[in-house]
Amino acid sequence: ETGVTQTPRHLVMGMTNKKSLKCEQHLGHNAMYWYKQSAKKPLELMFVYNFKEQTENNSVPSRFSPECPNSSHLFLHLHTLQPEDSALYLCASSQDYRNQETQYFGPGTRLLVL
Amino acid sequence: QKEVEQNSGPLSVPEGAIASLNCTYSDRGSQSFFWYRQYSGKSPELIMSIYSNGDKEDGRFTAQLNKASQYVSLLIRDSQPSDSATYLCAVNLSGANSKLTFGKGITLSVRP
Repeated sequence: ETGVTQTPRHLVMGMTNKKSLKCEQHLGHNAMYWYKQSAKKPLELMFVYNFKEQTENNSVPSRFSPECPNSSHLFLHLHTLQPEDSALYLCASSQDYRNQETQYFGPGTRLLVL
Repeated sequence: QKEVEQNSGPLSVPEGAIASLNCTYSDRGSQSFFWYRQYSGKSPELIMSIYSNGDKEDGRFTAQLNKASQYVSLLIRDSQPSDSATYLCAVNLSGANSKLTFGKGITLSVRP
C-alpha cells in the first residue's frame, strides 16, 4: 500500500449531484496531481499543484474544480458531471514538480455518473 | 502532439520465459522514462525508472533506453504468473517540470 490515500474508493452520482474526491499523501511531498483513467485510453493528467499552487490545468472542463489547502491534501470537486466522466480518478504525489521526480499513486476513486 | 506509443497487446508468454515490452515516444527532447505496473482494479506502481542510454537492471527487470531511436523497453526475465498485469510506459517530455505522458499500456499474461 502506498503513502497516498484516496476517498471514497467508489462513487456513484447523478448528473445533478455535487460530490468531492479527497486525496491525502503521507510522504512529505510538495507536488500533487489528479489523473483520469478511462478504459482503452492513456492516463490523462488533469491538474498539478506544487507547494499548494496550481501549475497545470490540462484543459479540464469547469465541472471539475480542484482545491489544495496544503501540501498534504488535494480535493477534486465535482458538479453537473456527464456520463462520459465515468472513470478511475487517480491522485499522485512527488517530492517536487521537477523532471525525473517519481510520482506515487493512490488507489483511485472509481466514479460512475448516471 | 507529443505521444507515447505502446503495442496494443495483449502479450502472452509461458512461465519462465522472457517478456519484452516496448514503448516509443515522439519528443526527442524527453529526459526521464518510467515503467509502471498496474494490476486489475489497482493503481499504477512504479517498477523502473531510467534516464540515460543503455540498460538498467533491477532483479528480474531490465529497462533499456535508446534515445537516438526514441524507444524504451522493459524486459522481464523468468516471467511469473504474478507478473500478469498491465504495464504503462511514461515519459517526462522535454522541459523542466515533472509532467508525465503515459502510453495506453500493454496487458501481459503469464501462462503457468
